[in-house]
Amino acid sequence: RKEVEQDPGPFNVPEGATVAFNCTYSNSASQSFFWYRQDCRKEPKLLMSVYSSGNEDGRFTAQLNRASQYISLLIRDSKLSDSATYLCVVNIPMDSSYKLIFGSGTRLLVRP
Amino acid sequence: NAGVTQTPKFRVLKTGQSMTLLCAQDMNHEYMYWYRQDPGMGLRLIHYSVGEGTTAKGEVPDGYNVSRLKKQNFLLGLESAAPSQTSVYFCATRDRHLSEQYFGPGTRLTVT
Repeated sequence: RKEVEQDPGPFNVPEGATVAFNCTYSNSASQSFFWYRQDCRKEPKLLMSVYSSGNEDGRFTAQLNRASQYISLLIRDSKLSDSATYLCVVNIPMDSSYKLIFGSGTRLLVRP
Repeated sequence: NAGVTQTPKFRVLKTGQSMTLLCAQDMNHEYMYWYRQDPGMGLRLIHYSVGEGTTAKGEVPDGYNVSRLKKQNFLLGLESAAPSQTSVYFCATRDRHLSEQYFGPGTRLTVT
């Protein structure tokens, strides 16, 4: 079983739609959670951290359910520029620090 | 501020050849990482460094070596390239007190 699992998609939605991505993780020792965005042939960039109480940044809302080991990302009012791959990222303890485990990503295509 | 840079951007190697990938950062970050990204898989950690003069193995270290002689540079070496090392390689850095990782633009390596 992969440590972080995501539906690879692609999710093909019209502009203005609301779309939700889900992610599950297997290591209960995970402490921090993130969504990264990766454009085609570019490097990943942090979109937002995910907090236990849930958090919102403009059109983006992230939720965490520790009991179910489940993370979600909701995008409202989709824009063409939201087309990208969204990576679910979880950190787990490693030595005296921690390491990030990346999901393989969910691809989003927003059409006009 | 260049942030995180990687050289070269592209490279084609024949099986058995060697090469070194260079990651340079001007962010004064202590932690540096080398990842590889393959289709359908998340980024996988090859090696990492928590400071100048220190390195450690990640998930997939076999066939790679690293050095961190200066804080701002992290080198990844392939001593004898194999087709299985065809991948996109990303370097990342992190401030020791913060969780966000900053990625370089990547190096696309093909081994024939």
